[in-house]
This record gives sequence, structure tokens and C-alpha cells, in this order.
Amino acid sequence: EIVLTQSPGTLSLSPGERTTLSCRASQSVSSSSLAWYQQRPGQAPRLLIYGASSRATGIPDRFTGSGSGTDFTLTISRLEPEDFAVYYCQQYGSSPFTFGPGTKVDIK
Amino acid sequence: EVQLLESGGGLVQPGRSLRLSCAASGFMFGDYAMHWVRQVPGKGLEWVSGISWNGDNAGYADSVKGRFTISRDNAKKSLYLQMNSLRAEDMALYYCAKGFNSGWYHAADSWGQGTLVIVSS
Repeated sequence: EIVLTQSPGTLSLSPGERTTLSCRASQSVSSSSLAWYQQRPGQAPRLLIYGASSRATGIPDRFTGSGSGTDFTLTISRLEPEDFAVYYCQQYGSSPFTFGPGTKVDIK
Repeated sequence: EVQLLESGGGLVQPGRSLRLSCAASGFMFGDYAMHWVRQVPGKGLEWVSGISWNGDNAGYADSVKGRFTISRDNAKKSLYLQMNSLRAEDMALYYCAKGFNSGWYHAADSWGQGTLVIVSS
């Protein structure tokens, strides 16, 4: 099973700031089969990025995914109030699919 | 608009069984893979199982393999999760999620609101 590690665990930031979240895999993720999800309190997760760098339908362009192999990043260019949430990466290139433990982005 | 409505959760004793259902609407259910993902309240996400568009292919997390069975009925636009030999560690909110395309090796692009499973004597 591929283990995903996310860092940092928590980020305290202000609206308007830029941030980069990291996701590292214990082995190479095939075909860049890496997704990012956002989960706001009390809500279901929402797909942001698939295929490491493709934005899902309706996702603003301030969200950018990049990376390959074992190292992936999610960049939020300018934090909006609604972006303060928990972000999870998931690999779906190898079964069983696995999620990272999440990065919480909260308001400073 | 994609809608996924889970049901079947509740309180169950350890060792017993429970069947979750997910009713889908707003998209061509039979064209897409489907998944179950669970989350202990306040904790992270755990992928449980996925199934291809026609039910011919499926996968499971190691933690549920041999105990849980995913299935679907395309005519009824419904997804199911049969959970046997339930353990305390299976207690979680179970989400039904729509796959990105017909194959189950992909991300989940729409999610229901979940149904809560409590395993306790």
C-alpha cells in the first residue's frame, strides 16, 4: 500500500497570502494518479485537482497542482475566506487507494 | 445536478452486519464508477471500496477486504455496501462518491453527505 505524507499538518495564514501544501508518497504514483480534495467543516470533501495538475470542473484558477513520481504540491495563489479548510491528497494509481492525513489551513 | 443520498447507517453490535445504500440522480449512473469512503468524525478520510461502471471490477481497502462487499444496480441507480463482521474500528461516516469516469481507478468528483455507522454493544 502506498503511504501518503502531508506537510505541514497545520498552516496559519491570512487572506490574500500564497501557500504551498506538500504531499509525498512512499513509492512512485503511477501515471500521476494524484488528486487533491478540500473539506470545509461539516461538509463533504470536494475534488479540486486530479491527474496531479488538472483542475476539476468549477475550481478557480488560484488552485494549482503540480508534481510527479513521489512529490506533489498544491498551491493556492491568494487565499480567499472560503479556502480555510482541510486539504487531502489521494493516490488512485494503485489499489488500495490511499489518502494523506490532511493539511489544515486556518486563519491567523 | 449530481445528487447522492446515502442511507442504511445506524447503531449495530460488533460482529453483526449492515447494508448501506446510495441513491444516485442527476447523471448517467451506469456510465460511472462509484466509491465508498469513510471518515471517523474529526479524523481523516479512508477509501473503502470502488467499483467499475458495470460492476465487473472492484477493489477494497485492506482493512475491509473479506468483510465488505460493494455492488451496484444500474437499473435502480443505486450503489450498495454490504458490511459483515463489523468491528468498533468500522465506526465512521460513510460517503458515497461518484467516480470521474467509467473505470474505478480514478478520483471521486461528487460526494454525498454521508451516513453514520456506529458499532457498539
